[in-house]
Formats: sequence, C-alpha cells, structure tokens
Amino acid sequence: DAKTTQPTSMDCAEGRAANLPCNHSTISGNEYVYWYRQIHSQGPQYIIHGLKNNETNEMASLIITEDRKSSTLILPHATLRDTAVYYCIVSGIQGAQKLVFGQGTRLTINP
Amino acid sequence: NAGVMQNPRHLVRRRGQEARLRCSPMKGHSHVYWYRQLPEEGLKFMVYLQKENIIDESGMPKERFSAEFPKEGPSILRIQQVVRGDSAAYFCASSPRTGRMNTEAFFGQGTRLTVV
Repeated sequence: DAKTTQPTSMDCAEGRAANLPCNHSTISGNEYVYWYRQIHSQGPQYIIHGLKNNETNEMASLIITEDRKSSTLILPHATLRDTAVYYCIVSGIQGAQKLVFGQGTRLTINP
Repeated sequence: NAGVMQNPRHLVRRRGQEARLRCSPMKGHSHVYWYRQLPEEGLKFMVYLQKENIIDESGMPKERFSAEFPKEGPSILRIQQVVRGDSAAYFCASSPRTGRMNTEAFFGQGTRLTVV
C-alpha cells in the first residue's frame, strides 16, 4: 500500500503557481520523497526528490516540512502541458527500486 | 542519449497466445524495472532485474509471467497463455547503478497489451 495521501484532484489557472500537497506521516528517517507525473497515458516522468531540505530544479520546487510528515510540490508557472496525474512517493535510499504508486492527484490546468 | 525504448507500443493477442514485451534501457543503465497499469488504476511494481539476475519479483503473478534481462539485448517480459485480465499498459523503467546513491527511474512510453 502507498505510504502517502494526496488529494484526488486539483485545478489551477494557467500561469499561476500550482501547489500540490502530500502527507507521508509514517516516513522513516532514511526515506526520500519523490514526485513523478504521468501525462495522459505516457510513461511516468521524474520531477524531483528530497530528503529533508527544500529542493528546486528546472521543473519544480519541493518543500518538505521540518517534521518531514508532509511536503508540497510547487510548479511555479503552470502551463496547459502540466495537466497530468502527479504521484508523491516515499522510497528508500535506492529510490528507483520498487516505487509504490498511489492514486495520485489529477491536476488540471485551466486556460 | 536515447531514452528507455519499449516495443511494440501496441500489442494485440488472442486469449491463449503468448505476449513478449521488450525494453531497452537507457545507455549505461544496468537496472530494469517492469510496472503494470490496469485501466483506470495506478502503476504496480512487477519485477526488478539487473543483467542476468532477478533481484525482486515480488510483484509478478505466480503463473504465466516471466522476465529476463540477458547479458546482451533487451529485457523481455513474457506472458504465456494471455487472458483478458492481462490487458493493460506495461511500463519499463531503468536506472543507473544505484550503490548507496538515491536515483530516479526513467520510464519508457509503455506497451499497451490488448487481449481479445
């Protein structure tokens, strides 16, 4: 079973920041938070991951609370092409192994 | 650097036939993972392989399904005697040697299997 809880769906206006929350209250000390997304029926796409510090890359920012029980993925300027299902995944240090995908958040970017 | 290549993209099989799905990992990647996505559901881990070794097959159905990643050539997911319930999208992912480093997985575009 997935170790994370995400809202089923969210909407965001094009050009605005999309903030996607994730609860992972049972995360252990050596587990990372990963975010992937799946656009329509394509293969999942890696977005970002972090342990306890906030992270930023060219796609998004990841904010992890100090107690590490929740996090937020931020897409700073959402575009229509960001419409996808976003998955928050908790995984061990060898993160690529055995990813447990929950139902994710279906994010719709509206024009 | 080409991404993870899966073929065929679409595969139609009659009940009872065999399905062979191929996955070529990214260049330099020695770890391959297979996932299955049933219609309107999330992805489920099936198997994790390194060259010539099955590392974790805890998500593989006990019968009819097998996977290999030979020394040369692509990884193969084989489904014998397919049934309608095998209809799904099958995704392959690869990653570089993990060691003690956290890594991300790079996914292919999937093979959509339809059993008629």
